[in-house]
Amino acid sequence: QSALTQPRSVSGSPGQSVTISCTGTSSDVGTYNYVSWYQQHPGKAPKLMIYDVSKGPSGVPDRFSGSKSGNTASLTISGLQAEDEADYYCCSYAGSDYVFGTGTKVTVL
Amino acid sequence: QVQLQESGPGLVKPSQTLSLTCTVSGDSISSGTYSLTWIRQPAGKGLEWIGRIYTSGSTNYNPSLKSRVTISVDTSKNQFSLKLSSVTAADTAVYYCASYSYDRSGYFQSNFWGQGTLVAVSS
Repeated sequence: QSALTQPRSVSGSPGQSVTISCTGTSSDVGTYNYVSWYQQHPGKAPKLMIYDVSKGPSGVPDRFSGSKSGNTASLTISGLQAEDEADYYCCSYAGSDYVFGTGTKVTVL
Repeated sequence: QVQLQESGPGLVKPSQTLSLTCTVSGDSISSGTYSLTWIRQPAGKGLEWIGRIYTSGSTNYNPSLKSRVTISVDTSKNQFSLKLSSVTAADTAVYYCASYSYDRSGYFQSNFWGQGTLVAVSS
């Protein structure tokens, strides 16, 4: 069971859009529509931003959206804001357990 | 608002068993379908899923930790626990507990996390 692959970092200016990819395999992302995304600020617990590939929990701005194609899931942050600067992790169901991504640091320029 | 709080020793000796408890407040975990999960994060590194238990008692574990992990639930105390045996320095991490609730149809309802607790493995 290997971690899902994410870019180490992405950046954008306020108001721009950024997309984070999350590449897995046919044993996880490619088979199951149970991909979630978490936001983590330094020293804080992760916060669920997207579940079931593209669903947003109550209270999460709709600037955050998710999608999936084949073995790769994506998180897009539209209208980037300063408070979006954080680490982001994807997570996928893998048949009986879950696997997290390697994490991506989003920097707001 | 559901709240979770981890508790347990912050220091464990190598080869011993790490034991943590997560106390859930704000809702009864036996009132619905809950997936009660443990996740850890070594300093400066990513998240690692350890395992989960449903309030029914069924469990799933990370295959890489399965031989050393036991997760249990005590619905009377609204708590669930983690035991990790034969620990080494590689098990030093912040340990988080998290709850995922689902409605009667199995649809996701909510997710809450504890603040995390640092456990160091050292002699």
